[in-house]
Amino acid sequence: DVKVTQSSRYLVKRTGEKVFLECVQDMDHENMFWYRQDPGLGLRLIYFSYDVKMKEKGDIPEGYSVSREKKERFSLILESASTNQTSMYLCASSPPGQRLNSPLHFGNGTRLTVT
Amino acid sequence: AQSVAQPEDQVNVAEGNPLTVKCTYSVSGNPYLFWYVQYPNRGLQFLLKYITGDNLVKGSYGFEAEFNKSQTSFHLKKPSALVSDSALYFCAVRDRGFQKLVFGTGTRLLVSP
Repeated sequence: DVKVTQSSRYLVKRTGEKVFLECVQDMDHENMFWYRQDPGLGLRLIYFSYDVKMKEKGDIPEGYSVSREKKERFSLILESASTNQTSMYLCASSPPGQRLNSPLHFGNGTRLTVT
Repeated sequence: AQSVAQPEDQVNVAEGNPLTVKCTYSVSGNPYLFWYVQYPNRGLQFLLKYITGDNLVKGSYGFEAEFNKSQTSFHLKKPSALVSDSALYFCAVRDRGFQKLVFGTGTRLLVSP
């Protein structure tokens, strides 16, 4: 089974801090994704990556950046955390582009609170 | 642009009764459609998908979904609900040729004993 591991289940950070959310997958998937989940809004795509050192903006990239230095690892960075970034963050991975019918595999999420 | 609508925030059903969680979609071409389930404090788990072929798709835990192209719907169903089915359910669509998967806002299913 694919395993997607997010390094922290819960994080509490202060406004203005730089925050790193880490995600690692063990199935050699090319594609990796970061979503945030908010009540009533469902999942919204922040960034995604097709390959090492490649990244694409999703629907809500403002205030975030990402890093993909190794195939298995995809990091989400909040350059200067703000209270409106308090949310559940979900990482996911999937096989290469030609297999668009493949489902995403999700990590268990990181619940971030910014105070 | 792709979009998904889940018109019900919450669905309540008694254990043993059939359940339906509704989903409608909008894409420019032919869709790939998915259902995911989320239990408390967990990530999303894949339930089932429609790619092509038979309009009735069977998935995990006894769930099935019916693809209706004319109504652009992909409703999730189960003949007999269990209390353990209580969770948050998400419908998602991917337009063929695009990497991005678009999710609905989710429907909370509550199954009472």
